[in-house]
Amino acid sequence: EVQLVQSGAEMKKPGESLKISCKGSGYRFSSYWIGWVRQMPGKGPEWMGIIYPGDSDTRYSPSFQGQVTMSADKSISTAYLQWSSLKASDTAFYYCARKDGNSAGYFQVWGQGTLVTVSS
Amino acid sequence: SYDLTQPLSVSVALGQTARITCGGSNTGINSVHWYQQKPGQAPVLVIYRDTNRPSGIPERFSGSNSGNTATLTISGAQAGDEADYYCQVWDSISAVVFGGGTKLTVL
Repeated sequence: EVQLVQSGAEMKKPGESLKISCKGSGYRFSSYWIGWVRQMPGKGPEWMGIIYPGDSDTRYSPSFQGQVTMSADKSISTAYLQWSSLKASDTAFYYCARKDGNSAGYFQVWGQGTLVTVSS
Repeated sequence: SYDLTQPLSVSVALGQTARITCGGSNTGINSVHWYQQKPGQAPVLVIYRDTNRPSGIPERFSGSNSGNTATLTISGAQAGDEADYYCQVWDSISAVVFGGGTKLTVL
């Protein structure tokens, strides 16, 4: 079964760093782009960027460039999303998703989401 | 930036047909994908590339795309179809764009 399993919920204080993970299984992890999506409470999904685990080629949404860092370790089939200094406004669910199809592809496999809560 | 416009809400009587639209800000919108999201759950792909249904998605879900507007149609809506629905495209600089979402209520 193809699946993405994300790390558990996190509760952090403003200014702290954080790295969340997304582990793929059931397919060749290095051959599919992994996208990251933010969903703030009560809002729609926002695309943060995408990474190709095969060579770590990364594309960021302009809205998130410089705010987060995406990485991947293909040897353990895991993608990461990290922050160096969290803000309260980073409180949201974060989803990883596998991109299928061509350049205008779609996201058929999603992780279960990681809730990040940033509060003093 | 590229914008996708969806109605905030759509209501449909049980067993009737619901149509959710997704309008592009430029001429024509290509290769639209649709996701269903229920409270507390991750999005689920229900239509890809305008008209294609992934394995496991009921036949009552269908999609179309003409001119500036893509449409998700749910024929014979069920109570379990109540959810938020989002359309998605890739814009000219290869960025993913989601619509604002439509809340479907089944009466």
